[in-house]
Amino acid sequence: QKEVEQDPGPLSVPEGAIVSLNCTYSNSAFQYFMWYRQYSRKGPELLMYTYSSGNKEDGRFTAQVDKSSKYISLFIRDSQPSDSATYLCAMRVQGAQKLVFGQGTRLTINP
Amino acid sequence: DTGVSQNPRHKITKRGQNVTFRCDPISEHNRLYWYRQTLGQGPEFLTYFQNEAQLEKSRLLSDRFSAERPKGSFSTLEIQRTEQGDSAMYLCARGPAADTQYFGPGTRLTVL
Repeated sequence: QKEVEQDPGPLSVPEGAIVSLNCTYSNSAFQYFMWYRQYSRKGPELLMYTYSSGNKEDGRFTAQVDKSSKYISLFIRDSQPSDSATYLCAMRVQGAQKLVFGQGTRLTINP
Repeated sequence: DTGVSQNPRHKITKRGQNVTFRCDPISEHNRLYWYRQTLGQGPEFLTYFQNEAQLEKSRLLSDRFSAERPKGSFSTLEIQRTEQGDSAMYLCARGPAADTQYFGPGTRLTVL
C-alpha cells in the first residue's frame, strides 16, 4: 500500500465548475501538506502549503486538511481551461526534508 | 520561472552508458533536492543537499547513482551503467525550506 493515495482520474469538468481533488494518507506522522500543479512536460509548480488542520485559501484555491481522517483536499473555484493540468499532493514528516507525493490527478477543464 | 535551470533537457543514451545531469539554482537558497518521476507517477525523492553537504539519500539511489554539489551552488547527478529502468524525468528543486520546494523543468532520460 502506498503511503499517499490519489485518484489518477482523468477528471473532466466544464469551465466555471468547482473542482475537488483529494488525497488520503496512511502515515500519521505526516504533518506538512502541499499541492503542486504540473503541466505536460514541465516541472511541478507549488500552489499551496499548509501544516494545520482546517482550510487555507489563496485566490480561487482552497486547501483543506483533516488530520483525524488522514485526508486532504484542494478546491478550485471558477475553474478555467488554463487550470487543465495534473495536480499532485505532497506531504512530509516533521524533521524530514523529502516530500512524498501522490500519483497525481489529471484534470481537464472544458470550455 | 522557478529559478532552477536543468541541462540537458533531454538525453537519449544506450544501456550501459554513463550520463550526467546538471542543476543550476539561480538564487542563493541553500537547499537543493533531486527527485525522479516516471510516467503517470508522482516524483520520488532521491537526495537532499544543504549547501555542499548531502544530508539525506533515498534507498532508490543505488550504487550506480551519485550526486554532488561542490561549493554549495550547482549540482550534478550521475548515473553509471544506465539501465532501461532508469528512463524517467529527473527533477531538481531548490528551496528556502522543505515546504517550499521550487522545481526546475527536469531532464528527460531515455535509455535504449
